[in-house]
Amino acid sequence: GAVVSQHPSWVICKSGTSVKIECRSLDFQATTMFWYRQFPKQSLMLMATSNEGSKATYEQGVEKDKFLINHASLTLSTLTVTSAHPEDSSFYICSARGGASGRAYEQYFGPGTRLTVT
Amino acid sequence: GEDVEQSLFLSVREGDSSVINCTYTDSSSTYLYWYKQEPGAGLQLLTYIFSNMDMKQDQRLTVLLNKKDKHLSLRIADTQTGDSAIYFCAERGYGGSQGNLIFGKGTKLSVKP
Repeated sequence: GAVVSQHPSWVICKSGTSVKIECRSLDFQATTMFWYRQFPKQSLMLMATSNEGSKATYEQGVEKDKFLINHASLTLSTLTVTSAHPEDSSFYICSARGGASGRAYEQYFGPGTRLTVT
Repeated sequence: GEDVEQSLFLSVREGDSSVINCTYTDSSSTYLYWYKQEPGAGLQLLTYIFSNMDMKQDQRLTVLLNKKDKHLSLRIADTQTGDSAIYFCAERGYGGSQGNLIFGKGTKLSVKP
């Protein structure tokens, strides 16, 4: 299968600071990338969907000014949590889907980033 | 709206077969997926099936799809302790929401030696 990486794998930050998480598709071009949030022992909650070169589409209830998503290239998307608060502490997982044949229906996930806001 | 349901827990003995069941509501689902998540890790795509198929087999994994009943199952043959994880069923609808995946809550599989 394809490989999606995330960096960092975990981060601890102080309340009020901003944190950037990177998501890269290493061996395929991801025309669409997704950002999910997972609470302990729960399923994944889709936060936003981004297509390369265009603005992200946010799910209802997700603040776009707080969770800034940039999908500048076919292999990189970033999620910036601005002015982080303790309630933003969570496991953030990115996912990528290719547009070319053979990848359009396969969606691969990164290993996740554990964010702890103190 | 679209919904995916799974039982939350399954416990089996090493060497037995495991069957994880999933039901979904979206009749326009095009693809259905099984993902595996180990503690503290992301999701690993195990297998997927197109909605016009009834069965797909890949080594120890067998996926059965009953489209009429909107029922999907994952059978793991000769279950090993390394198979202990949470298994998520997901369906991808047609068109709307850019074909995003809708996930179940996950089934925690425990394999006893």
